[in-house]
Amino acid sequence: DADVTQTPRNRITKTGKRIMLECSQTKGHDRMYWYRQDPGLGLQLIYYSFDVKDINKGEISDGYSVSRQAQAKFSLSLESAIPNQTALYFCATSDFSFFIWNQPQHFGDGTRLSIL
Amino acid sequence: GESVGLHLPTLSVQEGDNSIINCAYSNSASDYFIWYKQESGKGPQFIIDIRSNMDKRQGQRVTVLLNKTVKHLSLQIAATQPGDSAVYFCAENKSGTYKYIFGTGTRLKVLA
Repeated sequence: DADVTQTPRNRITKTGKRIMLECSQTKGHDRMYWYRQDPGLGLQLIYYSFDVKDINKGEISDGYSVSRQAQAKFSLSLESAIPNQTALYFCATSDFSFFIWNQPQHFGDGTRLSIL
Repeated sequence: GESVGLHLPTLSVQEGDNSIINCAYSNSASDYFIWYKQESGKGPQFIIDIRSNMDKRQGQRVTVLLNKTVKHLSLQIAATQPGDSAVYFCAENKSGTYKYIFGTGTRLKVLA
């Protein structure tokens, strides 16, 4: 079973619709992230959460919102989808230690979102 | 099909040869670096990391080299196999910050 699971894997919807992308993890990590991947660009950070009570905006948070329902669950919402939000969306997790500050991020297999 | 990476630089290597993938990073203050592999239809997969107090780190069939003087990172894959075909990209991070900067990647094609 995947350590970081994203649902749905694919979604096609219309402009103006509300969409929720879900992410759950079994890695036991406190830190979770949502990224967007577009052709020719590196991953861009939308939101991140360092624990259940900590939510922070990333580089491109406009038009998105998140909810951290539990340590293992972090969902991304598009309140009113628009075509330029068509992209691949990835959830990631990372561990944290005061002794080893930087840790690699572990990604789910993504949601391909198309907005018509 | 996979639309990400349509216009990426491509490295083609013969099966069994060694591959070298390069990355120029942007922030001289970055002190942690990661290589990821992304196969079609999948998420980025962690390969190996290196911290700035090291110049070289080896894993199974992979070696990462770090040159802080010219802000350059490379990934060497020994005895490249068909299963190594993927997009490879680097990421950098500065201690104490949340931000990881991801490269756009290089597509590795392994020729039989």
